[in-house]
Amino acid sequence: AQTVTQSQPEMSVQEAETVTLSCTYDTSENNYYLFWYKQPPSRQMILVIRQEAYKQQNATENRFSVNFQKAAKSFSLKISDSQLGDTAMYFCAFMKQAGANSKLTFGKGITLSVRP
Amino acid sequence: KAGVTQTPRYLIKTRGQQVTLSCSPISGHRSVSWYQQTPGQGLQFLFEYFSETQRNKGNFPGRFSGRQFSNSRSEMNVSTLELGDSALYLCASSLVGRSNTEAFFGQGTRLTVV
Repeated sequence: AQTVTQSQPEMSVQEAETVTLSCTYDTSENNYYLFWYKQPPSRQMILVIRQEAYKQQNATENRFSVNFQKAAKSFSLKISDSQLGDTAMYFCAFMKQAGANSKLTFGKGITLSVRP
Repeated sequence: KAGVTQTPRYLIKTRGQQVTLSCSPISGHRSVSWYQQTPGQGLQFLFEYFSETQRNKGNFPGRFSGRQFSNSRSEMNVSTLELGDSALYLCASSLVGRSNTEAFFGQGTRLTVV
């Protein structure tokens, strides 16, 4: 079974600064997908960024980038130029394979507060 | 394109009752998954439906069940409600295919059991 661990329950960052959210996972699979989801107070989960395990290049989406270390089973999210709208819970998630099995395994989440 | 729609948004039920939650996926999405979110346990997978068939199931008691209709809309049912069933229930829909990995979530149904 897969597990996802987010050990930091809360973080705070000043607006316009950079923050890194940590995530580790455990799996015996070789091919899989990793995600960061954002859940603002409105409760709607929104995909922030996705990483395919077979790709060595780290994914980036505008101000969001990941540091994917497959051997270490680590998947951290870096948010650059933090904005007030980034205030939310962030969940790291694992998917074993696409298509036939779209089950997501989530970490406990981290509450990120962006200070003005 | 309309997003994933969950109804109702809020629900209050009494212990022992049963409840049915509804999820309408994004048009064209045939896979629907359900998750339970609580402060203590976080987000836990309940089950996934594809083409009216349950394809995957999480570790929940038989009181939790679901179904999917031919138009891909899904319902989940919880019978004999317990206080511990109080949670945010999230539905997610997705396309099916080797390169399709994004799950689109609804805003959830907040169930309170008293």
